[in-house]
Amino acid sequence: AQKVTQAQTEISVVEKEDVTLDCVYETRDTTYYLFWYKQPPSGELVFLIRRNSFDEQNEISGRYSWNFQKSTSSFNFTITASQVVDSAVYFCALKGGGQTSGSRLTFGEGTQLTVNP
Amino acid sequence: NAGVTQTPKFHILKIGQSMTLQCTQDMNHNYMYWYRQDPGMGLKLIYYSVGAGITDKGEVPNGYNVSRSTTEDFPLRLELAAPSQTSVYFCASSYSGGGGAQPQHFGDGTRLSIL
Repeated sequence: AQKVTQAQTEISVVEKEDVTLDCVYETRDTTYYLFWYKQPPSGELVFLIRRNSFDEQNEISGRYSWNFQKSTSSFNFTITASQVVDSAVYFCALKGGGQTSGSRLTFGEGTQLTVNP
Repeated sequence: NAGVTQTPKFHILKIGQSMTLQCTQDMNHNYMYWYRQDPGMGLKLIYYSVGAGITDKGEVPNGYNVSRSTTEDFPLRLELAAPSQTSVYFCASSYSGGGGAQPQHFGDGTRLSIL
C-alpha cells in the first residue's frame, strides 16, 4: 500500500520568510513518482513539479526548490522569500510504478500555508 | 486552451436524487480520473479510466458509477444521493506515454451539496 504523510496541517509565516513543507512517503515500488500540487483559495489544483525515484537531483525553479531524499523517503518543498500569493494548500502526491496502478495518485492531506503581509 | 472542463460548478441535490457530473478534456489524454475532496482533506480516487471502454474502481467507489464511451468524456453518476457525498469533485486527465508518470491535469471542480 502507498501512503503520503504531510505532518504539517497549517503553517503561518510573514512575507519574505522562507518556509519548508514536509512530505514523507511510503511505497514498496522500486520505481515511483512524486508530485507537488498547489490549491489556491480559488480551488483549482495546479501542478508544480514531478520527480522520478531514480533521479535524486534537487531542483530549483525561481523561489521554489525541492529536496528529494530516498534515504529518508522525503520530498520536501521550500519557498524562499514567501509572498502573500503563495498562500494556498499544498499537496504532495505519489504514484507507484506498478502496472496495476493505472497512473493514479495517492495524495497527502495537504498543508495550508498562510503568508501574512 | 480548455484543458479539463467540469460542469456544473455548483449544485444542490436532495437526498435520494440522482445526477451526473460531466467531465470533458480536449488534450487527447487516455487516462481520466474522478476524485472527491472533503473539507480539510486530500483527494481520494473514486474511479479511473485508462481508455475508452475501460474503467476501474479507486479507493471510494461506493455510491458512484462511471462510463467512458469516448476519449474526451468521463461522466460520474451519483445514484440515490446521500449527505455523505457532499464534497468537491475533481476530474483529471493525464497522458500515459513518455515512459513515466505524467502529471494529471485537473478541472476546476464541482461543489456538490446534498441536503
